[in-house]
Amino acid sequence: SQQGEEDPQALSIQEGENATMNCSYKTSINNLQWYRQNSGRGLVHLILIRSNEREKHSGRLRVTLDTSKKSSSLLITASRAADTASYFCATARDQGAQKLVFGQGTRLTINP
Amino acid sequence: GAVVSQHPSWVICKSGTSVKIECRSLDFQATTMFWYRQFPKQSLMLMATSNEGSKATYEQGVEKDKFLINHASLTLSTLTVTSAHPEDSSFYICSARDPSGGGYNEQFFGPGTRLTVL
Repeated sequence: SQQGEEDPQALSIQEGENATMNCSYKTSINNLQWYRQNSGRGLVHLILIRSNEREKHSGRLRVTLDTSKKSSSLLITASRAADTASYFCATARDQGAQKLVFGQGTRLTINP
Repeated sequence: GAVVSQHPSWVICKSGTSVKIECRSLDFQATTMFWYRQFPKQSLMLMATSNEGSKATYEQGVEKDKFLINHASLTLSTLTVTSAHPEDSSFYICSARDPSGGGYNEQFFGPGTRLTVL
């Protein structure tokens, strides 16, 4: 079952603007991961944030995690047309957990 | 990074036939692979966890006799959709966990297989 909910479900912005996507989950987690999926393709791992971390950066990506609110956000700065994709959060309940539970995803469109 | 491949990338078959999809980890050994199903504009739904040398663990509601999983080696898992019907048409994605990832469960995904059952 999918425990994550993401908002917005769809986001359309102009190139160069920042895009923020949010993810909420229901159970306690060990880590939360963000993935990108281009249309009709597999998923690409973007970033992993552990439950004891609050913020993490990778290039133009910034992820925050608030375990008290059971929520995470993904910020893409200075967006590019190539960032157009669907973005999913996924949670792992414990360090040894095998399974990831995916959110519903946000479809991001960057307009040139 | 670790690479996972899937074959075929797309397949069209007639109702009632069986279709086999392969998932390979190309540059690492994966004791565990996962099979997901994704409907258009929806999220990934985990179908089963495939463990090398043992039986797969299926998620609730997934028919094990319908979706046969075999994980005979550390680099290959196969999903066979038996007696496929149009409602089985979907995008099937596999992933593999890289055990060298320090236990934080980063998974690497294959490019997916688009199955269309006529």
